[in-house]
Amino acid sequence: QLQLQESGPGLVKPSETLSLTCTVSGGSISSSSYYWGWIRQPPGKGLEWIGSIYYSGSTYYNPSLKSRVTISVDTSKNQFSLKLSSVTAADTAVYYCARHILSLITIFGVVTPIPDAFDIWGQGTMVTVSS
Amino acid sequence: EIVLTQSPATLSLSPGERATLSCRASQSVSSYLAWYQQKPGQAPRLLIYDASNRATGIPARFSGSGSGTDFTLTISSLEPEDFAVYYCQQRSNWPPVYTFGQGTKLEIK
Repeated sequence: QLQLQESGPGLVKPSETLSLTCTVSGGSISSSSYYWGWIRQPPGKGLEWIGSIYYSGSTYYNPSLKSRVTISVDTSKNQFSLKLSSVTAADTAVYYCARHILSLITIFGVVTPIPDAFDIWGQGTMVTVSS
Repeated sequence: EIVLTQSPATLSLSPGERATLSCRASQSVSSYLAWYQQKPGQAPRLLIYDASNRATGIPARFSGSGSGTDFTLTISSLEPEDFAVYYCQQRSNWPPVYTFGQGTKLEIK
């Protein structure tokens, strides 16, 4: 069955860039049926969506993080990645990668796949921002 | 930004009882609402999507209802493994932006 696994440094210094990779196994990231996303959860707090990507490279970002976030996909490695720049202690969290199921909507007369709920999640990786 | 407010913050019930969790949106989200269950140290698990569709493998005792701004997750008869934190999540229509509620903790009474 499909599995997602996050990887990357567990400790990042303030003002530096947080970089994480999600490796997809048991299925292809190039499937046209899914988007792929990043979500984070500060210790003891709720969930925050960071952004999502399609195998084609189409992305959507959380407006509150957009200026600092880049999500990319590497179909040859069946991976997608997150970069979050200029981190502070407020970015300390468990970071999850997840798969979106899709919905189809019509935008300006064009049927467009839109990511919907997150149906499969990685186990999460804790990232601490500290000097 | 659409804000989701979940109530109650904590719900204390016994196994076998019926649980009713509420999620209210600050503006209409149509039926673009999902529910997740999260246990300590685990990733969230999708229970319900598009307000009322059970995800694959989710027991029939979980059901979702509502549209617009008011949504409900009902667990018909609580099993011991159901005690966890539950989150609702919405998707705005266009462009898609996803926000979560603050969670309801379902604890054993």
